[in-house]
Amino acid sequence: AQTVTQSQPEMSVQEAETVTLSCTYDTSENNYYLFWYKQPPSRQMILVIRQEAYKQQNATENRFSVNFQKAAKSFSLKISDSQLGDTAMYFCAFMKPYFGNEKLTFGTGTRLTIIP
Amino acid sequence: SAVISQKPSRDICQRGTSLTIQCQVDSQVTMMFWYRQQPGQSLTLIATANQGSEATYESGFVIDKFPISRPNLTFSTLTVSNMSPEDSSIYLCSVAGRGYEQYFGPGTRLTVT
Repeated sequence: AQTVTQSQPEMSVQEAETVTLSCTYDTSENNYYLFWYKQPPSRQMILVIRQEAYKQQNATENRFSVNFQKAAKSFSLKISDSQLGDTAMYFCAFMKPYFGNEKLTFGTGTRLTIIP
Repeated sequence: SAVISQKPSRDICQRGTSLTIQCQVDSQVTMMFWYRQQPGQSLTLIATANQGSEATYESGFVIDKFPISRPNLTFSTLTVSNMSPEDSSIYLCSVAGRGYEQYFGPGTRLTVT
């Protein structure tokens, strides 16, 4: 079974600074997907970024980028120019594509606070 | 991305009763998922619901406790049966996107007294 580990329960950073959230995972699969989700106090789960394991290039979405190290099974999220609206719980998630059972396995989350 | 709504958004229920949560999607989707998020915790998959077949439950979740219906490609319900305070959680439905990502509904916050 796959496991996802987020070793930073809480983090805080000043507005406009850069912050990196860590995620490691354990799998014997070669083909899989990794995701970062954001859950603000409104509790809506929002997809931040997606990475396909077979792609070496790190995914980027505006201020959000990942550092995907497949051999090390590491998938960190970097938030640049952090904004107050980035305050949320961030969950790393793993998914093995398998038709009919494409479930997400989530990490325990990192609570990020952006300080004005 | 899909637009997903859930009803109710929150409820307070007495132990021993049942609550049915509805999930509506604005487009046809093959797979829908139901997750539970206990207070201060991460999300755990309860079951996967495919239209036209029985739901597939994860270890630790059983159909008698969490019956699921999937009558068409845009709608699903999850029932939490014979509730106890331990069932107090946020329940979220999600649907699969084209790139294997999942899109989530706003969640149902359930409190059992």
